[in-house]
Amino acid sequence: AQTVTQSQPEMSVQEAETVTLSCTYDTSENNYYLFWYKQPPSRQMILVIRQEAYKQQNATENRFSVNFQKAAKSFSLKISDSQLGDTAMYFCAFMKHVYSGGSNYKLTFGKGTLLTVNP
Amino acid sequence: DTGVSQNPRHKITKRGQNVTFRCDPISEHNRLYWYRQTLGQGPEFLTYFQNEAQLEKSRLLSDRFSAERPKGSFSTLEIQRTEQGDSAMYLCATRGLTTQETQYFGPGTRLLVL
Repeated sequence: AQTVTQSQPEMSVQEAETVTLSCTYDTSENNYYLFWYKQPPSRQMILVIRQEAYKQQNATENRFSVNFQKAAKSFSLKISDSQLGDTAMYFCAFMKHVYSGGSNYKLTFGKGTLLTVNP
Repeated sequence: DTGVSQNPRHKITKRGQNVTFRCDPISEHNRLYWYRQTLGQGPEFLTYFQNEAQLEKSRLLSDRFSAERPKGSFSTLEIQRTEQGDSAMYLCATRGLTTQETQYFGPGTRLLVL
């Protein structure tokens, strides 16, 4: 079974600064996906960024980028130029790839990191 | 707004009562997932449907829980004889054919069992 660990229950950052959220995972699979989801207070969970394990290049989406270290099983999220609207719970998640027998595409989540962006 | 809706958004019930939640997915999405999120935890997988077929159930889904997805459209999750330990956020997510890795979540139903 896969496990996802987020070791930072809470973090805070000043507006316009950069913050990095940590995530490690454990799996014996070689093909999989990793995700960062954002859950703002009382709002829907939305996808922030996605990484395919077979791709060496780190994914980037505007101010959000990841540092994917496959050998170390590490998947951190960097948020640049933090904005007040980035305040949310951030979840790291794992999904087994279909080529690894993962036909159900279910997500395994970490416990989350509560990020607060201060003005 | 992800296009996935859930009702009700909040439910307070007394221990022993039955409750039912509904999820309305994005219309063209054939896969539908239910997750449970307790306080301080990430969501945990409960079950999923491909069209109307329920293909997998987690061990978290006790006999008091039942889920349906008639005609492969909306889905319901029923909890019978609720217990205080059932208090949680119940999340629905759907996935389409072309964006197979991406799940779109609804706002959730927050259940409080007194």
